[in-house]
Amino acid sequence: AQSVTQPDIHITVSEGASLELRCNYSYGATPYLFWYVQSPGQGLQLLLKYFSGDTLVQGIKGFEAEFKRSQSSFNLRKPSVHWSDAAEYFCAVVPFSGGYNKLIFGAGTRLAVHP
Amino acid sequence: EAQVTQNPRYLITVTGKKLTVTCSQNMNHEYMSWYRQDPGLGLRQIYYSMNVEVTDKGDVPEGYKVSRKEKRNFPLILESPSPNQTSLYFCASSWTVRETQYFGPGTRLLVL
Repeated sequence: AQSVTQPDIHITVSEGASLELRCNYSYGATPYLFWYVQSPGQGLQLLLKYFSGDTLVQGIKGFEAEFKRSQSSFNLRKPSVHWSDAAEYFCAVVPFSGGYNKLIFGAGTRLAVHP
Repeated sequence: EAQVTQNPRYLITVTGKKLTVTCSQNMNHEYMSWYRQDPGLGLRQIYYSMNVEVTDKGDVPEGYKVSRKEKRNFPLILESPSPNQTSLYFCASSWTVRETQYFGPGTRLLVL
């Protein structure tokens, strides 16, 4: 079945440590790929997106993501986490097929940051 | 300021009492959509609209209705709410589904 998987429900890191959040998708063709962040009590904000081209994508707030076609993955990374990064992170895709107009989200990864 | 607004932000109602959650955007976006967020399930799309008068079902449309009579407004209607519709609802807008989605602040609904 077509899906978006975020294997980690909760992740805890120490402030200043590096971070990697995983995202895998199962669609025939490479979909349009997104990462959104939801801070506590807030709506969602786009961190970055990938459509084509360079497989390493830079986003806001110091985040980056790498697309790996062979692994059907689009993992989010940050070299040094700040306490303000504590939030829930969602990977999302728009499947690349004619006429497909839905945005499909993963279940999310909740990030806690220890001081 | 570019924004998506939703009203009300919080709503407690009883089973079967019709309700409407409004959504409005001021960015002249063509694409609008509604999502519900439930713990462990992420966001699931309820309905979307590619432009005025064109709407289609998302992944969880049962029990919901929408209308898109004007570009800026996309209300979500629950004709006969049930407890399983207790959730956090988000409206979003964008130029197309492949562009950045701009989300409203959310509406927390409790159906007793």
